[in-house]
Order: sequence, then C-alpha cells, then structure tokens
Amino acid sequence: NAGVMQNPRHLVRRRGQEARLRCSPVKGHSHVYWYRQLPEEGLKFMVYLQKENIIDESGMPKERFSAEFPKEGPSILRIQQVVRGDSAAYFCASSGDQGAAYNEQFFGPGTRLTVL
Amino acid sequence: ILNVEQSPQSLHVQEGDSTNFTCSFPSSNFYALHWYRWETAKSPEALFVMTLNGDEKKKGRISATLNTKEGYSYLYIKGSQPEDSATYLCAPSSNTGKLIFGQGTTLQVKP
Repeated sequence: NAGVMQNPRHLVRRRGQEARLRCSPVKGHSHVYWYRQLPEEGLKFMVYLQKENIIDESGMPKERFSAEFPKEGPSILRIQQVVRGDSAAYFCASSGDQGAAYNEQFFGPGTRLTVL
Repeated sequence: ILNVEQSPQSLHVQEGDSTNFTCSFPSSNFYALHWYRWETAKSPEALFVMTLNGDEKKKGRISATLNTKEGYSYLYIKGSQPEDSATYLCAPSSNTGKLIFGQGTTLQVKP
C-alpha cells in the first residue's frame, strides 16, 4: 500500500546544474500537485498536472522550471541552471478523480534541494 | 484566493487541555477548505475537507467547523495529548484544486 513516493529525498546541486525531482503518485491517482517550501516560509503551490496535461501552472516561476506527468512513469519537476534561491523542500501530492477542489491530497515526504 | 491567515501562530498547552485555532480566508469564490496536520520530519496529513457552510466534521478528538459566508474555520482539539504536537495547516482550494496554505499554527503539548 504505497503512498506518494518522491526521490531523491535529498539532492545537492551546484549553481548552474540541473535538478530533476521525481514523484510517483498513489496507485490509481491521476492528479499530481507540486508545492514548494522555501526556508522560513509556508507551502506554496507550483503546478497541477493530470496525465500528459498541465492544468494549472500559475505558481511556477516563468523561467528554468518545468513539469511533466507522462502517460507512463512518475511526474518530473525539472529545474534548469539552479541558483541558491531554489534551495527548498519540494513536495508532491496526488489525488483521485472526485473533483479537483474537493479531493483530499496525499503528500509525499518531499525532496530537499540544496544548491551550493 | 489571496490571504489565508491562521492564529495563533504557536500554542503551548498542557496535556489534557482543550484548544482551538482559527483559519480565516476570503469568502468569495469558495470551493472547499482543507485542514492538514504536519508533524516534524513527516508529510502533511489530511484531516478534513469541508465544503458546506455550517459544516462540522470530527475525527476522534479533533473537530472542525466552517463558516463560508464570513470566511473562517475553527479546529478544535479536545483533551490534547503529546502526540497531537504538530503544525496544523488550513488551505482553501481553487476550482482546480490548488491549495493556498496558511502559515499554520504550531501546537506543542507538554506532558
């Protein structure tokens, strides 16, 4: 009975490198959300994806960040040319198909990204 | 959805005390209000999803009420236990399911 899985749990990158964060939703869930927690701040929405589609990316920075949720495989949050300000905990959540606003979202353990 | 405010920011109570926290949110364009419990080093865990004005939900010693007309929700914990120590987050959701989290109320229950 696996919940939401994220890997890696910890990721260290140097400035200018790429970071790839993976999220496997609860089995059977087709809705994935990414949230970010910057140091000393609360959880902030980044992007909402359904299989092969981006539904709401209003919280994504306009540059360097992208997300996908392919038909097969995990959802990927990709950060190109990382900067120190990208250091944060990135959480993925998944939900079922009862209606987006009313769905309980199940959170993964997060990936803690440190940019040196 | 712009401002979600939770109060108090932190709370220290003795084991056995009952306590409550407040979440206030814009009342326009309301879809649902989510409550989460977040223990240190763990993932946020859903407590309640509330949708109807006047709704009241209960899970064990924890209950919540919702007023969508005035834009607030209360979370109550009856007879607090040390294992209730956590940060409690509220989050109204948009029509797409985007959760807008408050800063949370951090509860510390002393044995």
